Amino acid sequence: ETGVTQTPRHLVMGMTNKKSLKCEQHLGHNAMYWYKQSAKKPLELMFVYNFKEQTENNSVPSRFSPECPNSSHLFLHLHTLQPEDSALYLCASSQIYSGSGVGELFFGEGSRLTVL
Amino acid sequence: DQQVKQNSPSLSVQEGRISILNCDYTNSMFDYFLWYKKYPAEGPTFLISISSIKDKNEDGRFTVFLNKSAKHLSLHIVPSQPGDSAVYFCAASGGPNAGNMLTFGGGTRLMVKP
Repeated sequence: ETGVTQTPRHLVMGMTNKKSLKCEQHLGHNAMYWYKQSAKKPLELMFVYNFKEQTENNSVPSRFSPECPNSSHLFLHLHTLQPEDSALYLCASSQIYSGSGVGELFFGEGSRLTVL
Repeated sequence: DQQVKQNSPSLSVQEGRISILNCDYTNSMFDYFLWYKKYPAEGPTFLISISSIKDKNEDGRFTVFLNKSAKHLSLHIVPSQPGDSAVYFCAASGGPNAGNMLTFGGGTRLMVKP
């Protein structure tokens, strides 16, 4: 296993379903992220975890619930989503050094979500 | 309001020629800039970066130029190759006080024709 892996790669769900996206990083990084990429829009930061602690929640609706049980795993729990939530959800990781800004992010291949 | 903008959604270039991708930003606190490349069905991959203390950074066929006064950066690819065809994202970071957040542009799709 290398880099950042995401499962599932594709997910179709109804608005009443509950599902989860999983991300695992094998790079020894201490920060993990969820980004959303909608059609014709920039990548939008959703959540940031530093050392398993959530440090950013970028005004994301509560129907998206992140979980970071350890520095290598990140989940995004989904419930009662709307069709407009259909997008590519990208997980990323990076190494954060005290006193430094963010450097290079390593992205997974993404989970393509379709909400019917 | 988008703080990082890539005003050209697409660019078509002949193989062997130079590709120039542009990016503008509005936040004067940004001090570190990155370019990412994304192929279909893959996540973005890091390409090249530049700190605001520099105005140029070169890595093989890729060169990034930063014009702080104009709040503008560009990525030059020369010579362009068909394998460079991808979506290119510009991203910016606000430095030590901005935590670990990157702000991305909307991307430019580059097509290099053989």
